[in-house]
Amino acid sequence: QKEVEQDPGPLSVPEGAIVSLNCTYSNSAFQYFMWYRQYSRKGPELLMYTYSSGNKEDGRFTAQVDKSSKYISLFIRDSQPSDSATYLCAMGDAGNNRKLIWGLGTSLAVNP
Amino acid sequence: GAGVSQSPSNKVTEKGKDVELRCDPISGHTALYWYRQSLGQGLEFLIYFQGNSAPDKSGLPSDRFSAERTGGSVSTLTIQRTQQEDSAVYLCASSTLGGGAETQYFGPGTRLLVL
Repeated sequence: QKEVEQDPGPLSVPEGAIVSLNCTYSNSAFQYFMWYRQYSRKGPELLMYTYSSGNKEDGRFTAQVDKSSKYISLFIRDSQPSDSATYLCAMGDAGNNRKLIWGLGTSLAVNP
Repeated sequence: GAGVSQSPSNKVTEKGKDVELRCDPISGHTALYWYRQSLGQGLEFLIYFQGNSAPDKSGLPSDRFSAERTGGSVSTLTIQRTQQEDSAVYLCASSTLGGGAETQYFGPGTRLLVL
C-alpha cells in the first residue's frame, strides 16, 4: 500500500460544476497537507496549504483535512475551463527531513 | 521576480550516454529539490539540498544518478550511462527554509527521452 493514494482520474465535468478531489494516506504522523496544481508542460504550483485538521477556504477552493479518517479533500466551486489541470496532493511531517510525499495526481477537465 | 529555471527544456539522448540537467533556483532560496515525474508514477523525490548541510540523497534510484549544488545556488543533476527507463520529466524546486512546510516553487522541468 502506498503512503498516499490518489485516484488519477481522468475527471471530466461541465463548467460550473462542483469538483471534489481526494487523497487518503496511511502515515498518522503527517501534519501538513498541500494541494498543488499542474498545468500541461509546467511545474506544479501550490494551491492550498493546511496544517493539521480542519478546513481552509480561498475563493472558489476549499481544502479539508480529516486526520481521524486519514482523508483530505479539495473542493472547487463554480469550476471554470481554466481549472483544467492535474491536481496533486502532498503531505509531510516534521521529521523525516520534512520531505513531502506526493499523490499521483488527478487529471481534471472542465468543459465549457 | 524570476522563478526557478531549468535547462535544457527537452533532451533526447541515446542509451548509454551521460546527461546533465541544470537548475537555477530562486535567488535567496536555501533549499533545493530534484524530483522525477513519470506517467502513472507521480512525483518521485530524488535529492534535497539545504544550505551547507550534507544533501539527502535517499531518493536517488541508482549510483548512475548524482547531483551537486555549487555555491549554494545552481544545481546540476547528472545521469550516467542513461537507460530507457530514465525517460521522464525532471523537476527542480526551491524554497526559502527547506522542508515540506514551506512552499516549494517548481521550475518547468526538463523532458528527458532516452532512445
